[in-house]
Amino acid sequence: GAGVSQSPSNKVTEKGKDVELRCDPISGHTALYWYRQSLGQGLEFLIYFQGNSAPDKSGLPSDRFSAERTGGSVSTLTIQRTQQEDSAVYLCASSLATKNEQFFGPGTRLTVL
Amino acid sequence: AQSVSQHNHHVILSEAASLELGCNYSYGGTVNLFWYVQYPGQHLQLLLKYFSGDPLVKGIKGFEAEFIKSKFSFNLRKPSVQWSDTAEYFCAVSDPYSGGFKTIFGAGTRLFVKA
Repeated sequence: GAGVSQSPSNKVTEKGKDVELRCDPISGHTALYWYRQSLGQGLEFLIYFQGNSAPDKSGLPSDRFSAERTGGSVSTLTIQRTQQEDSAVYLCASSLATKNEQFFGPGTRLTVL
Repeated sequence: AQSVSQHNHHVILSEAASLELGCNYSYGGTVNLFWYVQYPGQHLQLLLKYFSGDPLVKGIKGFEAEFIKSKFSFNLRKPSVQWSDTAEYFCAVSDPYSGGFKTIFGAGTRLFVKA
């Protein structure tokens, strides 16, 4: 079956530009997560959505980061005025409401020049 | 805040050697515990999980982990590693205050198995 997909797979941008990263979760998964993985670092939690509940934004590193999830499915992570320290792999995962096993996408590698 | 510590950042073993990767977490209440693995060029995937019951859990590919509540530990073990176990391994803990969905990951352990 179809897994979690993310686009683009790679994004190179200039400092100060805005970027949008997209995640398509597994159909039927009500929970969706965004993580950031920097070189040599673990996965840093950014945000998660669960059904119609308010998202947990506690991991967003600054107000330049935002995310939305439309119709309980597709999610976009937006980074405004990108900085070089935003360079990382951004991972999306989804899970069923009743289980917390997360299924990960391939990630988007963001490079800010 | 919940935190997860993985003691070894890099481990190098020869095939057939035994493996134990340490993981400790900071919260003493009810938690869900996971080990995820990322093989070279592949997505992160679940290796095994503990929600409740028998503290010794079995996962895929011969891996197991033991939850020791008194030590806040969830160490990963495999009696005999193979070259194909070369990967990065992440321990993760769910945050119960978020209904068990917010998950905190450790920094990862890179395992290299020499053929």
